[in-house]
Amino acid sequence: EVQLVESGGGVVQPGGSLRLSCEVSGFTFTSYWMSWVRRAPGKGLEWVANINNDGSEEYYVDSVKGRFSISRDNAKSSVYLQMNSLRAEDTAVYYCARGVLEVHYWGQGTLVNVSS
Amino acid sequence: SYELTQPPSVSVSPGQAAAITCSGEILSKQYGFWYRQRPGQAPVLLIYKDNVRPSGIPERFSGSSSGTTVTLTISEVQAEDEADYYCQSGDNKGLFVLFGGGTKLTVL
Repeated sequence: EVQLVESGGGVVQPGGSLRLSCEVSGFTFTSYWMSWVRRAPGKGLEWVANINNDGSEEYYVDSVKGRFSISRDNAKSSVYLQMNSLRAEDTAVYYCARGVLEVHYWGQGTLVNVSS
Repeated sequence: SYELTQPPSVSVSPGQAAAITCSGEILSKQYGFWYRQRPGQAPVLLIYKDNVRPSGIPERFSGSSSGTTVTLTISEVQAEDEADYYCQSGDNKGLFVLFGGGTKLTVL
């Protein structure tokens, strides 16, 4: 059974940092690009970042470039999202996703609340 | 920059058909994908590569493409179909991903 389990969300002050983790199982991790997608309260889905199979390529939505960093550890079947200089507008549920387009599997989401 | 445009809302009576459109220049070059998201749940893939239905998705969900528009059609809408629906496209090299703004489907 394919599973993606996110962790690391929480409440953080503006300007602070958080690191989200997503541990996967049930498929060959190294065969897939991985992505992070978020949904802010009252808004729609927004792609945040993706990373290729071996971690050598990373792409980001403009609003997080220079603040967020995606990485992966293929030995641990995990993907991460390091979020720095957080802003109120980063408040959202963050989903880990297998693939970039045609996402068949998603995590359950982890809530990030940027608030003073 | 590329954008995907969806109607904010669509309303339909049970048993009738609903069509949700998604327009954008990128759709003339790249595939469209459709997701459903119910409150408090993760998105679910309904249609990929414009018109392919994943296993486990009912046949009443179908997709089509014409020019710069892709369309999700739900035939014989049921109460459980009330949700937010999103189209998606992007660069097939992973450089960027787009989501439409989402369409709230209301079953009257």
